[in-house]
Amino acid sequence: NAGVTQTPKFQVLKTGQSMTLQCAQDMNHEYMSWYRQDPGMGLRLIHYSVGAGITDQGEVPNGYNVSRSTTEDFPLRLLSAAPSQTSVYFCASSLMGQVSGNTIYFGEGSWLTVV
Amino acid sequence: ILNVEQSPQSLHVQEGDSTNFTCSFPSSNFYALHWYRWETAKSPEALFVMTLNGDEKKKGRISATLNTKEGYSYLYIKGSQPEDSATYLCAFNSWGKLQFGAGTQVVVTP
Repeated sequence: NAGVTQTPKFQVLKTGQSMTLQCAQDMNHEYMSWYRQDPGMGLRLIHYSVGAGITDQGEVPNGYNVSRSTTEDFPLRLLSAAPSQTSVYFCASSLMGQVSGNTIYFGEGSWLTVV
Repeated sequence: ILNVEQSPQSLHVQEGDSTNFTCSFPSSNFYALHWYRWETAKSPEALFVMTLNGDEKKKGRISATLNTKEGYSYLYIKGSQPEDSATYLCAFNSWGKLQFGAGTQVVVTP
């Protein structure tokens, strides 16, 4: 089973460049989300989506855009990369959002360095 | 500021010893408490989702308890093995959003 697939796994960007982190899931999950993981900070929610065509901001949305044109895909776009966006990014999905305590499935992470 | 706190931040355990660590969270507006096991360069792996006060869950040598009234959960590892080395994350589900703690890094030495 593929589960949640993220690409690329590693990326180095120059300040000001833009890029898209891809995320796809094959479990027909309605809920998808993006987190960033920084030392000592836990996982912080960037953006999330409760279904195709619906997105919303999380805790740290600035500098990132998302779209959800299909149930399967939830790309994260960095508009103009900054060194502060150096982080590990995780995509996650689950059934019926997170309200009822459904298990969240994570991708393997994308290591992004902005120089 | 993290409302979800995990302690200790890291711990070293001798192979065969048992250990436990804590996740503290707000006691109000509780929906669920999640535990994940995360090895670097891999996906965080779901261990438990706990929803009821007094819940106890077990998976092999790992178990967890939940006290929603006082806002804490314990994760226990019995007879630690080197393969238990990982960062253990807890996440508090309130109003449908997950807030993660910073994790407890466990290193099991042979």
